[in-house]
Amino acid sequence: DTAVSQTPKYLVTQMGNDKSIKCEQNLGHDTMYWYKQDSKKFLKIMFSYNNKELIINETVPNRFSPKSPDKAHLNLHINSLELGDSAVYFCASSQDYSGSGNTIYFGEGSWLTVV
Amino acid sequence: SQQGEEDPQALSIQEGENATMNCSYKTSINNLQWYRQNSGRGLVHLILIRSNEREKHSGRLRVTLDTSKKSSSLLITASRAADTASYFCATDPQGGSEKLVFGKGMKLTVNP
Repeated sequence: DTAVSQTPKYLVTQMGNDKSIKCEQNLGHDTMYWYKQDSKKFLKIMFSYNNKELIINETVPNRFSPKSPDKAHLNLHINSLELGDSAVYFCASSQDYSGSGNTIYFGEGSWLTVV
Repeated sequence: SQQGEEDPQALSIQEGENATMNCSYKTSINNLQWYRQNSGRGLVHLILIRSNEREKHSGRLRVTLDTSKKSSSLLITASRAADTASYFCATDPQGGSEKLVFGKGMKLTVNP
């Protein structure tokens, strides 16, 4: 059973398009995240949701809009895609946000290539 | 903001040898975690060490933490080809809004 699943795994799209990446976790966790990993492997948090509420919103262009219909899902919608958006996007979850020492469980990643 | 810096950036060893990876960070932390990322996969949690702990073991993994030097090391003993992966340290900064801050990662290659 996949704990954190995200789709699609690979996405190739043209500049200017709008795309979405879906994420679901079956761990019963309260907190979900979106991370971006660039070509140099640097992993940067984008958003964090706790019980469907936005907790962290890093300096991310407002073309990126997360949506959490329930605490098991956190989708990422990207408008007007740009070449610089090409990266691997990881969805993740943790038991909750408040406790120190939470382990983060990652999905397998979505490879986005903008051409 | 980036917190952890792994060192070295890349390490290549033979199967059976030990691999040591170091992580330095800048601010006070609640805990430090190590993650592994196999090629084309997501990150997997390996071990967590709290700020009041100095050493922790899990199977072939040994993690140390020196809060005075703001550094941690991950030792993998008797390495296997399957240990080939990128390894990341992640810190939970005290008082920070970001719960985990990841380093750039370090590529370990274990040659059979």
